[in-house]
Amino acid sequence: AQSVAQPEDQVNVAEGNPLTVKCTYSVSGNPYLFWYVQYPNRGLQFLLKYITGDNLVKGSYGFEAEFNKSQTSFHLKKPSALVSDSALYFCAYSGYALNFGKGTSLLVTP
Amino acid sequence: SAVISQKPSRDICQRGTSLTIQCQVDSQVTMMFWYRQQPGQSLTLIATANQGSEATYESGFVIDKFPISRPNLTFSTLTVSNMSPEDSSIYLCSVGGREGTYNEQFFGPGTRLTVL
Repeated sequence: AQSVAQPEDQVNVAEGNPLTVKCTYSVSGNPYLFWYVQYPNRGLQFLLKYITGDNLVKGSYGFEAEFNKSQTSFHLKKPSALVSDSALYFCAYSGYALNFGKGTSLLVTP
Repeated sequence: SAVISQKPSRDICQRGTSLTIQCQVDSQVTMMFWYRQQPGQSLTLIATANQGSEATYESGFVIDKFPISRPNLTFSTLTVSNMSPEDSSIYLCSVGGREGTYNEQFFGPGTRLTVL
């Protein structure tokens, strides 16, 4: 069965430090991979996607993700975390519709 | 991108009753999706709302419990029928950005349902 996995329920990072939210995939063929963010009491917002081409994808709010085929990973990264980045992050792959990982809660402390 | 609104934004309902959630999009879209997000969980696709035909339900979801309407290309409703506390969730409407599975989906703000 195809899926994405987010191995960490929560990631804690201090403001100003780099952050990484992990995602691995098990998708046949060429995977279409996405990152979404969900802020409290707000809807799901699209951050970035990987379709093909450059393995480093840049997205909204200074986030980027690196597609690594050999490690079947698509980790979300940001060079310098902000307190306002604290939210729930979802990795997803596209089949007929989006299929989501379980989510990772990111907490950035001042 | 698409602007999506949902009504109601939240509701508290009694066991055994039904609630209809509305989803309105500011542009015509072919595919509309309904997701459920149970407390502390990820999003699960309930069904795809097709204009002019029956909705397509995912495994574990049935039309009798979650009837869907799609009268035109900008509007859809999801009804949660004969509710139980286990139906307490956030229900989200989503649309595809453009045709094709490689395009991002856009999501409404969600309807937070609590069943007592």
